This record gives sequence, C-alpha cells and structure tokens, in this order.
Amino acid sequence: EVQLLESGGGLVQPGGSLRLSCSASGFTFSNYAMNWVRQAPGKGLEWVSAIGNTGTVTYFSDSVKGRFTISRDNSNNTLYLQMHSLGAGDTAVYYCAKAVGPIAVASSFDSWGQGTLVTVSS
Amino acid sequence: SYVLTQPLSVSVAPGQTANITCGGDNIGSKTVHWHQQKPGQAPVVVIYYDTDRPSGIPERFSGSNFENTATLTISRVEAGDEADYYCQLWDTTTDHPGIIFGGGTKLTVL
Repeated sequence: EVQLLESGGGLVQPGGSLRLSCSASGFTFSNYAMNWVRQAPGKGLEWVSAIGNTGTVTYFSDSVKGRFTISRDNSNNTLYLQMHSLGAGDTAVYYCAKAVGPIAVASSFDSWGQGTLVTVSS
Repeated sequence: SYVLTQPLSVSVAPGQTANITCGGDNIGSKTVHWHQQKPGQAPVVVIYYDTDRPSGIPERFSGSNFENTATLTISRVEAGDEADYYCQLWDTTTDHPGIIFGGGTKLTVL
C-alpha cells in the first residue's frame, strides 16, 4: 500500500525558511515523479512544484519560483520542499502527491499524503 | 495562463446523477484528472486521463472530455459522495509547464 507521510510543518515568522519532508513507502520511490500541492485555509488546491523520478527535472508555480526548491533522496525514499522568504500567502496545508509515472509532465497523481500545516505569522 | 472554470456548487438528491463540469479553452485536447476531497481529509483521485478510474473507485464515477468542457459524472449519488471536487490538468502550452486546478465544486447531497 502506498503511504506518503509529510512532516516539517509548523509556525514560522514572515521572511523565514522551512523544509518539508515527505517520506514514501509501499512502492519503488525512484520510479515515480512527485509533486507538492498546497491548500490555504478554506481555499482550493494550488499546485506548487513537481520533480521527475531522477530529480534532474523540476517545475515550479509562478507563485513560488525563486523562493522554493524541490529535491528528493531516492536512497531514503524522501521528497523535500525547501521554502524561503515565506509570507502570509504561503500559509497552507502542504500535500505531497505521487505521479503515475517517472515523468512529471502530463502525469496524473494516484496517491496523496495527509498533509502538513505551515503557518506564516509573527 | 490557462484557466479552468467549475461551478461553485452542485446539489443532487440521493440516487440521482450529478454532473460536475470543468470548462477550459479547447480542454478536449488536453488530459483532465479529477480529485475528491471530503471535509477534513486529503484529496483522492477519482478519475484520471479523462475517463479512467483508479482501483477502488466505484463504477458510479465516470468522466468525459469534449471540446470546451470536461465532466465528472456521479451516478446513483450517495450521501458519502458529498465532497469538494477539483478538476486538474498539466498546462504545457507555455515555456514553463505546470499543473492547473479548477476552483473546486462543492457537491451537496440533499
């Protein structure tokens, strides 16, 4: 059974940084692209970033480009999202989601994690 | 950038059919996926690649995509289907491909 467990969320001051992790199990992690999606309180889903299975190809939404980086450690089955220059607009539950194939572009998701809450506030 | 338009809400009585639409410019030429999110829970994929159902999703869920509208159809609606539904696709028409979500539709079972 696919399991995705996010961690690293919490309260951070405006302008601060945070690193999220997504620990994966139940599948061969290195064979699949991965995504981060966030959801602000009471709002809809917003895609944040995607990474191919080898980690060499990455994509970002315009709202986080230049501030967030995505990476993965295939030896430890873990996906990361490094976030810098955080603002109130970054407050959200952050979900990791597994793609159905190794290439991120045009791939659907087939599994979601339970999410981790990031709150940006002074 | 590409925009996906969904109705804010759809209401249907139990046992009836719910059609949730997702509008976009020539969306029929793209591949659309649908996610269900129940209150307080993470999303779940209910339809991918326009019409395919992941394992474990009831046959009551189906999808279509033609011209400017993709549609998620839920037949014989049950109380447990009450949720927010989001359409989603990859926009590859720009220099920076990315995922677009519709604004979401709240399905209410009367």
